Amino acid sequence: DAGITQSPRHKVTETGTPVTLRCHQTENHRYMYWYRQDPGHGLRLIHYSYGVKDTDKGEVSDGYSVSRSKTEDFLLTLESATSSQTSVYFCAITETGSYEQYFGPGTRLTVT
Amino acid sequence: RKEVEQDPGPFNVPEGATVAFNCTYSNSASQSFFWYRQDCRKEPKLLMSVYSSGNEDGRFTAQLNRASQYISLLIRDSKLSDSATYLCVVDTNTDKLIFGTGTRLQVFP
Repeated sequence: DAGITQSPRHKVTETGTPVTLRCHQTENHRYMYWYRQDPGHGLRLIHYSYGVKDTDKGEVSDGYSVSRSKTEDFLLTLESATSSQTSVYFCAITETGSYEQYFGPGTRLTVT
Repeated sequence: RKEVEQDPGPFNVPEGATVAFNCTYSNSASQSFFWYRQDCRKEPKLLMSVYSSGNEDGRFTAQLNRASQYISLLIRDSKLSDSATYLCVVDTNTDKLIFGTGTRLQVFP
């Protein structure tokens, strides 16, 4: 158990509203990642962080922003949600010195 | 060409069967390779890391062929509980991984 939690676990929101998803880890891992998973696309990287206040874009970053003000929390924000952002969002961490990633339980987001 | 390609399946096999999945990758600089298992509506979980020429863990064997840039996963004596989607994952030689879209396995009694 990598001690990763995500909140909320499910959310339904309307187009145009802001949404923030939270990823929390308890083991001080340096690297944290946000992915989305959609049928036919697999897991795609949105943003990742390699330390407090250090973040970088992934392959599908448009429409998303992130923040990491504490080691344990990595926030993903949809500034103005669109229906194309309906997806399952997974957070992951990497243990120091390894490429192996461990995932949180996911957030199922529906934008109507 | 996709960076990581897998046969989506589904593979429908009876209990006790042996089944193999293949995965090809495009980045010849990749050094680390993984198989993840994902159950329906759950998060992916690391099944095996594949280093050097491959490794075995109980009924599961992973092989790596760097020359041909493919990875395989062999499951022997399939169980009903092996039914899941298996994701092939490759590092990009940076801080990021690339995930295949997965191969679905259904084991029937």
